[in-house]
Amino acid sequence: SYELTQSPSVSVSPGQTANITCSGDSLGDKFASWYQQKPGQSPVLVIYQDTKRPSGIPERFSGSNSGNTATLTISGTQAMDEADYYCQAWDSSTLYVFGTGTKVTVL
Amino acid sequence: QVQLVESGGGVVQPGRPLRLSCAASGFTFRNYGMYWVRQAPGKGLEWVAVIWYDGTKKHYVESVKGRFTISRDNPNNTLYLQMNSLRAEDTAVYYCARVSGPVVTPAAYFDYWGQGTLVTVSS
Repeated sequence: SYELTQSPSVSVSPGQTANITCSGDSLGDKFASWYQQKPGQSPVLVIYQDTKRPSGIPERFSGSNSGNTATLTISGTQAMDEADYYCQAWDSSTLYVFGTGTKVTVL
Repeated sequence: QVQLVESGGGVVQPGRPLRLSCAASGFTFRNYGMYWVRQAPGKGLEWVAVIWYDGTKKHYVESVKGRFTISRDNPNNTLYLQMNSLRAEDTAVYYCARVSGPVVTPAAYFDYWGQGTLVTVSS
């Protein structure tokens, strides 16, 4: 079955850039989405179709996808961005699959 | 605005059934595919079941096949998940989520999520 692997944690200082990666076989040939989940809350879509931002999502969130890796970048990270982030992609055998999740800590 | 409100969770004994509901509002429900996604305590996200906009196609994660049934009532804007033969490993928060289109496609994504309902399977 298809799997998406993420680093368990990323630490970033306020105002700096956080890069959150998601790895999967030929992931660049698929569309990747990203979800933010704060403690006790439901997930929120922050990036879809690799690079697109839903309305209401700040411009500091951006995405890219190439080769075997999709990346969510948070530029000028703020304390409010502290959350778990999950990537997601579609696979013909398992339909949608979620990544293992990355906890972003803003120090 | 789009709203998805889950209900029906609770504590249930192993082997017993439970039915979850998701009331949708703020959009044309019959035009969108819908998912159930769960999250075990302290764990990541796992999709459980999906249903096409018109209910003609359904898919399930392997671990719930034969035990869970997804359905929808389009005139009443409600999504359901009938869970039978519950196991301890089914303990999780269950979210309903809207697919960005009527069916599952490689380009689709989950654009709205409910607040979730907790299911605890325990004796």
